[in-house]
Amino acid sequence: NAGVTQTPKFQVLKTGQSMTLQCAQDMNHNSMYWYRQDPGMGLRLIYYSASEGTTDKGEVPNGYNVSRLNKREFSLRLESAAPSQTSVYFCASSEPWATEAFFGQGTRLTVV
Amino acid sequence: GENVGLHLPTLSVQEGDNSIINCAYSNSASDYFIWYKQESGKGPQFIIDIRSNMDKRQGQRVTVLLNKTVKHLSLQIAATQPGDSAVYFCAERGSARQLTFGSGTQLTVLP
Repeated sequence: NAGVTQTPKFQVLKTGQSMTLQCAQDMNHNSMYWYRQDPGMGLRLIYYSASEGTTDKGEVPNGYNVSRLNKREFSLRLESAAPSQTSVYFCASSEPWATEAFFGQGTRLTVV
Repeated sequence: GENVGLHLPTLSVQEGDNSIINCAYSNSASDYFIWYKQESGKGPQFIIDIRSNMDKRQGQRVTVLLNKTVKHLSLQIAATQPGDSAVYFCAERGSARQLTFGSGTQLTVLP
């Protein structure tokens, strides 16, 4: 049982480049989330998808877009990367009523 | 707005001692408060939660206390072990059922 799988694990981008972070879960969860984690700070919600076919902005959505491709997959896209987007990105999934979210291993992104 | 923060960024305890990690919150409308553990290089992992109408909940070696009067949450770990070394986050679930995380406390267990 893989849980939540994120790809890639590491990425270096140049300013202005674009990329998509992939996330897939095999727990049949309805809700999926993208967070970013910066040094000395907690996780901040970028976007979430309460169910297949819906997406909503979180606390820090600027500079990002998301796609809920199907119930399993939720991708995060950076259209024009900026150094301020250097961070560790975590995808998570849960049932909508649950307090327990399951997190992936994270993607460490550096924008130079 | 919502604010979930921690009193101490780091905590060192001797192996076998009890650990207490504290957290302050400001959103009285949160229905659940949750503790997560994050080991180095991994994603956060759920430890325990407490509903807002409770003041204490116990798990395996962990106890969470909620004091709504002073908006304070704490996680107590009994007989701390080396494997408990990690960053601990408190989080709260607001009216939209989204989790808001605090900034974390690094727990180091000394041999």
